Amino acid sequence: AQRVTQPEKLLSVFKGAPVELKCNYSYSGSPELFWYVQYSRQRLQLLLRHISRESIKGFTADLNKGETSFHLKKPFAQEEDSAMYYCALIGSGGSNYKLTFGKGTLLTVNP
Amino acid sequence: GAGVSQSPSNKVTEKGKDVELRCDPISGHTALYWYRQSLGQGLEFLIYFQGNSAPDKSGLPSDRFSAERTGGSVSTLTIQRTQQEDSAVYLCASSPAPGGPYEQYFGPGTRLTVT
Repeated sequence: AQRVTQPEKLLSVFKGAPVELKCNYSYSGSPELFWYVQYSRQRLQLLLRHISRESIKGFTADLNKGETSFHLKKPFAQEEDSAMYYCALIGSGGSNYKLTFGKGTLLTVNP
Repeated sequence: GAGVSQSPSNKVTEKGKDVELRCDPISGHTALYWYRQSLGQGLEFLIYFQGNSAPDKSGLPSDRFSAERTGGSVSTLTIQRTQQEDSAVYLCASSPAPGGPYEQYFGPGTRLTVT
């Protein structure tokens, strides 16, 4: 079974501070990992995916297969980063279309 | 272009009534997904359509839940004899094709409240 764990329900930082949102996964094959974000009163949207290795809005995430982690990082948080962040995976087998989500981390960036 | 749309945006119903939730995917997207977002359970997969077929209904929580898709476009999620535990936000997503390389685009959701 595939599972995604986000250990922090809430994370609060000050503007300009570094932020790291943790994500660990359980999957026996080679999954694809994603971070989705939901800003207040907006729809869920893709932030970044591990295969593209991009930096989006200053956020990066590295897939660590040894630690089965995909933590999201930003060196200097901004107030507009305040949102709900979900880590998700898609498996590589027959159900390679189904997103399995973590329960989310609510990030608050204080001025 | 237009994104995924869902209607209604909010639905309040009495326990025991049937409800229908509608999803209009992005034009040309062959894959369509329903997820449920509830307190405590987070985001859960319900069902996946490829065209008009539903190869994976494994996430539907009970036989009170059903879904169909017609014309390879609009999808309807029906919940019969609603229960209070059905209260949640129901999200629809679509993608150009199934599979990880294809981004799933989400709709705004339908907030269902069962009283």
